Amino acid sequence: DSGVTQTPKHLITATGQRVTLRCSPRSGDLSVYWYQQSLDQGLQFLIQYYNGEERAKGNILERFSAQQFPDLHSELNLSSLELGDSALYFCASSVDEGAGNTIYFGEGSWLTVV
Amino acid sequence: GQQVMQIPQYQHVQEGEDFTTYCNSSTTLSNIQWYKQRPGGHPVFLIQLVKSGEVKKQKRLTFQFGEAKKNSSLHITATQTTDVGTYFCAGYNNDMRFGAGTRLTVKP
Repeated sequence: DSGVTQTPKHLITATGQRVTLRCSPRSGDLSVYWYQQSLDQGLQFLIQYYNGEERAKGNILERFSAQQFPDLHSELNLSSLELGDSALYFCASSVDEGAGNTIYFGEGSWLTVV
Repeated sequence: GQQVMQIPQYQHVQEGEDFTTYCNSSTTLSNIQWYKQRPGGHPVFLIQLVKSGEVKKQKRLTFQFGEAKKNSSLHITATQTTDVGTYFCAGYNNDMRFGAGTRLTVKP
C-alpha cells in the first residue's frame, strides 16, 4: 500500500460525458501528479500540482483539467469524453516538487468510455 | 521539451537469461529513477541515480547512469519469473518524465 488513495477504482461512462477522478496523496506529501496509461502504452504525464499550485504541465488535453485543494487532495476532471480517453489514470504523490523525490503511485482509476 | 526514450519496448527471455533496458534523454538530467509495474499493478519505485557514472546494485539488478547524465540502463542477471513486469525509467529535469517502459516476459 503506497498510501495514495484514488477513487473510483473503476468507472464506465458514455461518450460526451464528464467524470471526476479523486486522489488523496500520502500523508505529508505536498506534490500530486496525474498520469494516463492506455493499453500497451507508457505513462503519459498529464499535470503536477505542488501545495495547491500548478507546477508542471504535460500532455494534458484542453478537455481535461485538474486542481489541488487546500487539504492537498486533487481532482482530475475529464469532459466531453471520447472512446480514446479510456485508460488507467494514476495519481501519484511526493514530498515536494523538486528533484530526487520518490513518486508514490496510487492503484489507479480505470475509466472505460463506451 | 524534455523527452525520455526507452528501448526495447518488449523483451521476452527464457528464465535464467539476462535482460537489459536502456533509457535516453534528450536533455541532461538531474537524476533518473527506475520503477517496476507488475501486470495489473501500479508503478513501484526501485532506485534513484544522481551522480554521473553512478552504478548501483540491488541483488540481481544493476543500474547505471551515464557520464553525461543523459542515459541510463537497468540490467537483470539470470531472470526469474518474478521479474515479469514493465520497467520504467523516469528522468528529472524541471519535471519528471517517464519513458515508455520495457515489458519483460519470462518463460519458465
